[in-house]
Amino acid sequence: GQNIDQPTEMTATEGAIVQINCTYQTSGFNGLFWYQQHAGEAPTFLSYNVLDGLEEKGRFSSFLSRSKGYSYLLLKELQMKDSASYLCGIRDKLTFGTGTRLAVRP
Amino acid sequence: DVKVTQSSRYLVKRTGEKVFLECVQDMDHENMFWYRQDPGLGLRLIYFSYDVKMKEKGDIPEGYSVSREKKERFSLILESASTNQTSMYLCASIEVLYNSPLHFGNGTRLTVT
Repeated sequence: GQNIDQPTEMTATEGAIVQINCTYQTSGFNGLFWYQQHAGEAPTFLSYNVLDGLEEKGRFSSFLSRSKGYSYLLLKELQMKDSASYLCGIRDKLTFGTGTRLAVRP
Repeated sequence: DVKVTQSSRYLVKRTGEKVFLECVQDMDHENMFWYRQDPGLGLRLIYFSYDVKMKEKGDIPEGYSVSREKKERFSLILESASTNQTSMYLCASIEVLYNSPLHFGNGTRLTVT
């Protein structure tokens, strides 16, 4: 089976940096996804990590440690439009954690 | 760009009705998925399919069935809708290649009264 844990809610300030953690336990692992989802909309793809290390894409970076069953999504220079839910998902049976609702304050 | 299309954005059905949720993707993806999303519970996998006429149960298949007669179409069926099936339903598809992302449809908000 699979178990994926993320914090339920986080709050950060515009312009700051925030790190959203995801821990997982799974019998099979073929990569980890991060998605962003604004209220009432479909999730949109942010990143995919297969190997250990940091992947950087503009203001967003994602890190993976397979031995620790751990990933994080790093958002830099936060903007108000980054207020959304962030979903961590495992590419085995493609299941997701419950998501982290991020609120960015002025 | 991959397009995953769900036939209805909003649907209202009565308890006991048979409900069909349709999903079509245009990129020849082998793998397709149905999720439901509820506040505080996140995305939960109902069923998935790796190929035509193949289906696998996800984490919460009870009360649902699926049909995959053609590669591009994956249907979710509620045999007898109940109020606890009121939810947002999301369809998704993905290529077999490991570095390809999961593409979601826009969702169907189903209300069972």
